[in-house]
Amino acid sequence: SQQGEEDPQALSIQEGENATMNCSYKTSINNLQWYRQNSGRGLVHLILIRSNEREKHSGRLRVTLDTSKKSSSLLITASRAADTASYFCATSGNTPLVFGKGTRLSVIA
Amino acid sequence: NAGVTQTPKFQVLKTGQSMTLQCAQDMNHEYMSWYRQDPGMGLRLIHYSVGAGITDQGEVPNGYNVSRSTTEDFPLRLLSAAPSQTSVYFCASSYSRNRGRSGANVLTFGAGSRLTVL
Repeated sequence: SQQGEEDPQALSIQEGENATMNCSYKTSINNLQWYRQNSGRGLVHLILIRSNEREKHSGRLRVTLDTSKKSSSLLITASRAADTASYFCATSGNTPLVFGKGTRLSVIA
Repeated sequence: NAGVTQTPKFQVLKTGQSMTLQCAQDMNHEYMSWYRQDPGMGLRLIHYSVGAGITDQGEVPNGYNVSRSTTEDFPLRLLSAAPSQTSVYFCASSYSRNRGRSGANVLTFGAGSRLTVL
């Protein structure tokens, strides 16, 4: 069964706005990763946050992790049409990476 | 450096036919895995391997076989295809320093193989 669950399932915003996606998981983890998938393509790694980290930045991406609430959020600032994709969180404990069902982001120009 | 290469990109099978989805990586990654992606279900792990000669089952292994005779290749075999195996299949690999099963490392994905079983 899936470990991570993203919320919302779908999100539609205007170009230039910020997009926030959330991920909740059930068991303890070593790290949490976010991936992006453009339509019809493979997944691409975006960012990894370890269980002892609370926040991490990479360009326009900001990821937070709250292990007490078993949740993470991905913030994309100043979104662009090219950010239109599905975004997945993946958790790692003592088992291989387990992916959530994803958030489908549409950025309207 | 091609990364992870999957073949074929598209395949149509009849129920009961067999086939092999090929996956090759040129990054000397020890860890390789197969996922299937279905609408509304996200990605589910089928089988994985932490090194040559070692394979393990994931969440949905039934109906699929794998082998890992070399570091580079990790083929996925469907022995008797069923319509329920209609899906998009992704191979992914990562560097694993000590053959850990945690999958803690970042995965590199192939472009996917779309399989339809009639």
